[in-house]
Amino acid sequence: DIQMTQSPSSLSASVGDRVTITCRASQGIRNDLGWYQQKPGKAPKRLIYAVSSLQSGVPSRFSGSGSGTEFTLTITSLQPEDFATYYCLQHDTYPITFGQGTRLEIK
Amino acid sequence: QVQLVQSGAEVKKPGASVKVSCKASGYSFPSYGITWVRQAPGQRLEWMGWITPYNRNTNYAQKFQGRVTMTADTSTSTAYMELRGLRSDDTAVYYCARQETLDSWGQGTLVTVSS
Repeated sequence: DIQMTQSPSSLSASVGDRVTITCRASQGIRNDLGWYQQKPGKAPKRLIYAVSSLQSGVPSRFSGSGSGTEFTLTITSLQPEDFATYYCLQHDTYPITFGQGTRLEIK
Repeated sequence: QVQLVQSGAEVKKPGASVKVSCKASGYSFPSYGITWVRQAPGQRLEWMGWITPYNRNTNYAQKFQGRVTMTADTSTSTAYMELRGLRSDDTAVYYCARQETLDSWGQGTLVTVSS
């Protein structure tokens, strides 16, 4: 199975900050990577697909980049509604696997 | 718009089975796969498998082989996930999502396994 390792596991930041979350795959996954946001008690919501494509309706302060085995999600100018848990997902090879999540908290 | 609506919470005893439904609307149901994912308390998301409604092909995670069955009814645009032989560690929120890229999600169904 492809292991997806996210870092950091948790992160404290302030409104207006820029934050970056990294996801490393145990082997190459082409561009078959997405990023999801999950708020407590809610289903995950897709933010980014195919590494860097922004899901319709998602604010442009969210962006994705990377290639091969290392990928990043960047949020510029954090807003109060951005404090949540973020997951990466690879769908290059079955079984589909997720990162362990990054909890973004208010400082 | 794409919408996936799941059935309500369930409480089951160990050894029982549960069947969760996922009703789709806002798109051509046969044309897109349905993925099932679960999330145990405090744990990461876990892929269980998926089904392509138009031909009922399935692909299950090794961990659930023999215990899970995914089906789809194109006449009602509804996908189902049945998990048998429930154990306490199957307590989780179960989600359906569209496609292997999980572009849209159901609201989740809490399944609690307890004696």
